[in-house]
Amino acid sequence: EIVLTQSPGTLSLSPGERATLSCRASQSVSSSYLAWYQQKPGQAPRLLIYGASSRATGIPDRFSGSGSGTDFTLTISRLEPEDFAVYYCQQYGSSQLTFGGGTKVEIK
Amino acid sequence: EVQLVQSGAEVKKPGESLKISCKGSGYSFTSYWIGWVRQMPGKGLEWMGIIYPGDSDTRYSPSFQGQVTISADKSISTAYLQWSSLKASDTAMYYCARHYTRYYYYMDVWGKGTTVTVSS
Repeated sequence: EIVLTQSPGTLSLSPGERATLSCRASQSVSSSYLAWYQQKPGQAPRLLIYGASSRATGIPDRFSGSGSGTDFTLTISRLEPEDFAVYYCQQYGSSQLTFGGGTKVEIK
Repeated sequence: EVQLVQSGAEVKKPGESLKISCKGSGYSFTSYWIGWVRQMPGKGLEWMGIIYPGDSDTRYSPSFQGQVTISADKSISTAYLQWSSLKASDTAMYYCARHYTRYYYYMDVWGKGTTVTVSS
C-alpha cells in the first residue's frame, strides 16, 4: 500500500498569505492519479485538483498543484477567508486508493 | 444536476445490522464507479472500497475487506454499504463518492454523508 504523508500537520497563516502544502508518497505515484481535496467543518470533501495539477471545475486559480514521482505540492497563492480548512491528498495505485493524513490551514 | 443523495443518520446498538444508501442522479449511474469513504470523529479520510454498478464489480480496501459489503441496484441508481454486526468502532461519518477513472483517478461528486452511531 502506498502511504501518503502530508506536512505540515497544521499551517497557521493570515489571509492574503501564501500556503504551501506537501504530500510525500512512500513510492512513486502516477501524476494522473494524484488529487487534492478541501474539507470544511461539517461538509463533505470537495475536489480541488486532479492529475496533480489540473483544477477541478469552479476552483479559483489561486489554487495550484505541482509535483511528480513521490513529491507533490498544493499551493494557495493568496489565502481567502473561505480557504481555511483541511486539505487531503489522494493517490490511486495497484487497485487501492489512499489518502494522506491531511493538513489543517488555520487562521493565525 | 449531478448529485448523490445519502440516507439519513443512524443510531444502532453493537451487534445490529445496518445498510445505508447512496442514490445517484443527473448522470449515467452505470458508467461510473461509486465508492465509500469513512471519516471517524475528528480523523481523516479512509477509502473503503468501490463498486461499478454496470456489472457489480467490487473492490475493497484490505482494511475493510470482510468487515463491510458494498452493493448496488442499478435499476434504482443506488449504491449500498452494509454491516452484518456493528461495533462501537464503526461510529463514523460515511461518504459515498463518484469515482472518475478514465486516465485520471479522482472523486468528483460526493454525497453529504451519513452519520452512523453505534452505542449500547
